[in-house]
Amino acid sequence: DGGITQSPKYLFRKEGQNVTLSCEQNLNHDAMYWYRQDPGQGLRLIYYSQIVNDFQKGDIAEGYSVSREKKESFPLTVTSAQKNPTAFYLCASSIGSLEHNEQFFGPGTRLTVL
Amino acid sequence: AQSVAQPEDQVNVAEGNPLTVKCTYSVSGNPYLFWYVQYPNRGLQFLLKYITGDNLVKGSYGFEAEFNKSQTSFHLKKPSALVSDSALYFCAVRDVRDDKIIFGKGTRLHILP
Repeated sequence: DGGITQSPKYLFRKEGQNVTLSCEQNLNHDAMYWYRQDPGQGLRLIYYSQIVNDFQKGDIAEGYSVSREKKESFPLTVTSAQKNPTAFYLCASSIGSLEHNEQFFGPGTRLTVL
Repeated sequence: AQSVAQPEDQVNVAEGNPLTVKCTYSVSGNPYLFWYVQYPNRGLQFLLKYITGDNLVKGSYGFEAEFNKSQTSFHLKKPSALVSDSALYFCAVRDVRDDKIIFGKGTRLHILP
């Protein structure tokens, strides 16, 4: 059963803590993306990776970090430098980074800072 | 810079009536256009896309969209709405010269029984 998974579904963080959100895909996709969704603001791109061991900053990368050591995995770390991390985080993948390839999304992780 | 606008935060339609969710875009080059749907607490699902060719694109669940180059629009349509179509809809655009896709802010569609 192919797809893209994210874990955990819900995550609670204390201020000052780093947390890592998992994203795994078995679709053999080259490109992977992380978005942040806030009410009324749509999706904003945090980081993206077009190939293993390479990634680029998106529009709101400050306070976040990623790695792409394996094709299947693209974890996102929310650091203590991110001042307003409470949001819904979506991971996506596409066959390649060609312009016309649609993205496949995971179910999301809702992060809440206590 | 590329951008996409969804001018309506919410659209209400009676079940069985036709629906339209509006989207306009701005890109420097040729656009690639997408529609996605999101159900509560879920990820986005791809509905349809325009790359080139026929201006009327058909997609999943009976949805279609019309590309209008002169009006820079890509409105989502369905001839007869279902209550199960109620969800959040996102339009997205990608410039052929850029490697990022830009999403609109979303339009919440309510289908009234």
